Amino acid sequence: DIVMTQTPLSLSVTPGQPASISCNSTHSLLHSDGKTYLYWYLQKPGQPPQLLIYEVSNRFSGVPDRFSGSGSGTDFTLKISRVEAEDVGIYFCMQSMQLPLFTFGPGTKVDIK
Amino acid sequence: QVQLVQSGAEVKKPGASVKVSCKASGYTFTSISIHWVRQAPGQRLEWMGWINTGNGNTKYSQNFQGRVTITRDTSANTAYMELSSLRSEDTAVYYCARLSRLDYWGQGTLVTVSS
Repeated sequence: DIVMTQTPLSLSVTPGQPASISCNSTHSLLHSDGKTYLYWYLQKPGQPPQLLIYEVSNRFSGVPDRFSGSGSGTDFTLKISRVEAEDVGIYFCMQSMQLPLFTFGPGTKVDIK
Repeated sequence: QVQLVQSGAEVKKPGASVKVSCKASGYTFTSISIHWVRQAPGQRLEWMGWINTGNGNTKYSQNFQGRVTITRDTSANTAYMELSSLRSEDTAVYYCARLSRLDYWGQGTLVTVSS
C-alpha cells in the first residue's frame, strides 16, 4: 500500500502570513498516463472535506488563488500565500494512484495565532 | 448545483448491518462515479470503495472486503453503502463523494456501533 505522511501535523499562523504543508508518499504518484494523482483537501470544523487542489497543482472551482500546490514523484507541497481566518481546519493530502485503494495523509491542523 | 445528500445518523448493535444512502442532484448521476470514505474518531480518512454509477461495477478496499457492498438506484439518483458484521471500531462518519478526485462530498452520516 502507498502510505502518505504530512509535516507538520499542526501549524499556527498569523493572519496575512504564508503557510506551507508537505506531503510525502512511499511510492511515486506519477501514473503511466502522465498524470500525478495527488490531491489536497481542507476539512473545516463540523464540515466534510472540500477539494482544494487536484493532480498536484490544479485549483478546484472556487478555490482562492492564495492556495497553490506543487511537487512531483513522492514529494508535494501545499502553500497558502497569505493565511486568512477562514483557512482554519485540517488539511489532508490523498493519493489515487494505487487503485483500488486511495489513501490519505494523517492531516495537518491549521489554526490562527 | 451539485449536491450529495446523505441519510441520517444510525445507531447499531455489534454484528448488525447498516445501509447509508447518498442522493445526488445537479448533474447526470450515471456519468460520474460515487466513492465512499469514512472518518473514525482520531483516525485518518479511510477510502472504502466506489461504484461506476453507469454500469454498476464496483471496487472495494481490501480492508473491507466481504463486509461492504455499494449499490445504486439510477431511477432515484441514489447510491448506497451497506456495511455488515458491524463492530465498535466501525463507529465513524461515513461520506459519499463524486469522482476519483472526490470533488463534492455529502454532509456525512454518523454511524455508532454500541451494545
